Amino acid sequence: DAGVTQSPTHLIKTRGQQVTLRCSPKSGHDTVSWYQQALGQGPQFIFQYYEEEERQRGNFPDRFSGHQFPNYSSELNVNALLLGDSALYLCASSLGGLDNTEAFFGQGTRLTVV
Amino acid sequence: AQKVTQAQTEISVVEKEDVTLDCVYETRDTTYYLFWYKQPPSGELVFLIRRNSFDEQNEISGRYSWNFQKSTSSFNFTITASQVVDSAVYFCALISDQTGANNLFFGTGTRLTVIP
Repeated sequence: DAGVTQSPTHLIKTRGQQVTLRCSPKSGHDTVSWYQQALGQGPQFIFQYYEEEERQRGNFPDRFSGHQFPNYSSELNVNALLLGDSALYLCASSLGGLDNTEAFFGQGTRLTVV
Repeated sequence: AQKVTQAQTEISVVEKEDVTLDCVYETRDTTYYLFWYKQPPSGELVFLIRRNSFDEQNEISGRYSWNFQKSTSSFNFTITASQVVDSAVYFCALISDQTGANNLFFGTGTRLTVIP
């Protein structure tokens, strides 16, 4: 049973460019959440997708957008990259009930903006 | 507002020593969940435990134990007889109505180094 998989594992982009990160949830999970983890910090919630819609959003600008596909996989898009967007981006999957609180994380995509 | 404080930034212990990682939280909600996650160098967060606010029973799982005390808003994590494989960053996290369902609010983490 594959866990949460993310691609790519590493990425280097230039300031101002756009980037797309991908996540496949654990088998049977229908909810995907994205987190940003800056160096030396704890992960910060970006947004969550359930039934192909953004259900909840953290305190991130509109440059951060996402999408969920019918197979529950998800993409995170970041436009107009800033140096401060350099971080580890983690995807977590879970079951969709609002009272379900166990999330499984992928290994993350390390994004470096130069 | 909600807050999770892990005051210990880095801890080093010698193998086989016991170590306790501290976590203090703040929330106005009466219903909430507390978590501990382990982040090894590979990067993924590994779920260790979940506790809801109505269950103050301490829990033991092998060499791991957790002490939840609502009176002091603390949820501390103890590793007994530490091993080199325990070296990682450990995060305490909170879910409550303030954070939103399924939105984990993390502390800044404690980096544990176990020296052989």
